[in-house]
Amino acid sequence: GAGVSQSPSNKVTEKGKDVELRCDPISGHTALYWYRQRLGQGLEFLIYFQGNSAPDKSGLPSDRFSAERTGESVSTLTIQRTQQEDSAVYLCASSQTSGDPDTQYFGPGTRLTVL
Amino acid sequence: SQQGEEDPQALSIQEGENATMNCSYKTSINNLQWYRQNSGRGLVHLILIRSNEREKHSGRLRVTLDTSKKSSSLLITASRAADTASYFCATQRKTSYDKVIFGPGTSLSVIP
Repeated sequence: GAGVSQSPSNKVTEKGKDVELRCDPISGHTALYWYRQRLGQGLEFLIYFQGNSAPDKSGLPSDRFSAERTGESVSTLTIQRTQQEDSAVYLCASSQTSGDPDTQYFGPGTRLTVL
Repeated sequence: SQQGEEDPQALSIQEGENATMNCSYKTSINNLQWYRQNSGRGLVHLILIRSNEREKHSGRLRVTLDTSKKSSSLLITASRAADTASYFCATQRKTSYDKVIFGPGTSLSVIP
């Protein structure tokens, strides 16, 4: 595909359930980011994968949040025991870090609603 | 902690006027980028300026960077209704392998 894709585009879940969000980055992009954006707010950094290095998890808000990435491909963001405050758009971005500055390419996001 | 902070938080102008948004940051950077978000989903990269550059242009966009003041500005000239969006600055620190951090954004409304 030409761009970053995310699925599902919308997810409605009940409080306490687990959800899994998926991101397919642009082929060949070594860096992958997850962000959270609450309504009317800026982007909140969650986690950063760079090649085979250990991910930077410094933005994960609690231990209910985790993310995996296999090599330089698909990533999944898992939220366990969802809470209403987890409702937000979750954005994924990838970039081709090759010694040049990172221009990020964003997916359309997954809108998560926790009832 | 927030690396970049845009100001103003919201800006409303008439079509044809110029719009200026500012971004301040706290630590030394490798580069600074501006992004636009139209619909609350996905961001589009607008322009990148490196730490050794002072000004860049792209169409109706002009970006300046003052590393001594740790600030950048984005100027949109001759604004159009289609420029209505949120604009975010993003910084990347000293190496290009550092994560990119976004500010909270400026919401721009261009009134026809």
